[in-house]
Amino acid sequence: DVKVTQSSRYLVKRTGEKVFLECVQDMDHENMFWYRQDPGLGLRLIYFSYDVKMKEKGDIPEGYSVSREKKERFSLILESASTNQTSMYLCASSLPAGGIYEQYFGPGTRLTVT
Amino acid sequence: AQSVAQPEDQVNVAEGNPLTVKCTYSVSGNPYLFWYVQYPNRGLQFLLKYITGDNLVKGSYGFEAEFNKSQTSFHLKKPSALVSDSALYFCAVRDAGYQKVTFGIGTKLQVIP
Repeated sequence: DVKVTQSSRYLVKRTGEKVFLECVQDMDHENMFWYRQDPGLGLRLIYFSYDVKMKEKGDIPEGYSVSREKKERFSLILESASTNQTSMYLCASSLPAGGIYEQYFGPGTRLTVT
Repeated sequence: AQSVAQPEDQVNVAEGNPLTVKCTYSVSGNPYLFWYVQYPNRGLQFLLKYITGDNLVKGSYGFEAEFNKSQTSFHLKKPSALVSDSALYFCAVRDAGYQKVTFGIGTKLQVIP
């Protein structure tokens, strides 16, 4: 079974702090994704990566950056956390988009920015 | 552009009754369609997908979905609901010409004992 793990289930940070969210997958998937989930808004794509050191902006990249130095690891960075970034963050991975593959999700990190 | 709509915030159904969770989509090309389920305090789990072929797709936990091209719909169904089916259900679409998947806002399914 594919396993996607996220470094923290719950995180509380202060406004202005730099925040790192880590995601690791163990199935050698090329594609990795970061979403945020908010009530009434569903899942919104922040960034995705289709290869090491490759990244593309999703629908809401403002205020976020990402890093993918190794195939199995995809990090989401909040350069200066703000209260409107309080949310549930979900990481996912999948096989290449050339095929039509489902995504495998981690358990999520609930981030609170105070 | 691609989009997906889940018109119901919540669906309530009695245990043992059939259930339907609705989804409609909009794409410019051919659609690839997915259903995911999210149990409380957990990530999303894949249920089923439609790529091409048979309009009735069978998935995990006894769920199925019917693809209807003329109505641009992909409704999730189950013949007999279980209390354990209570969860948040997400429909997702990907246009064949794009890499990104767009998710709906989710429908909360409540199965009443």
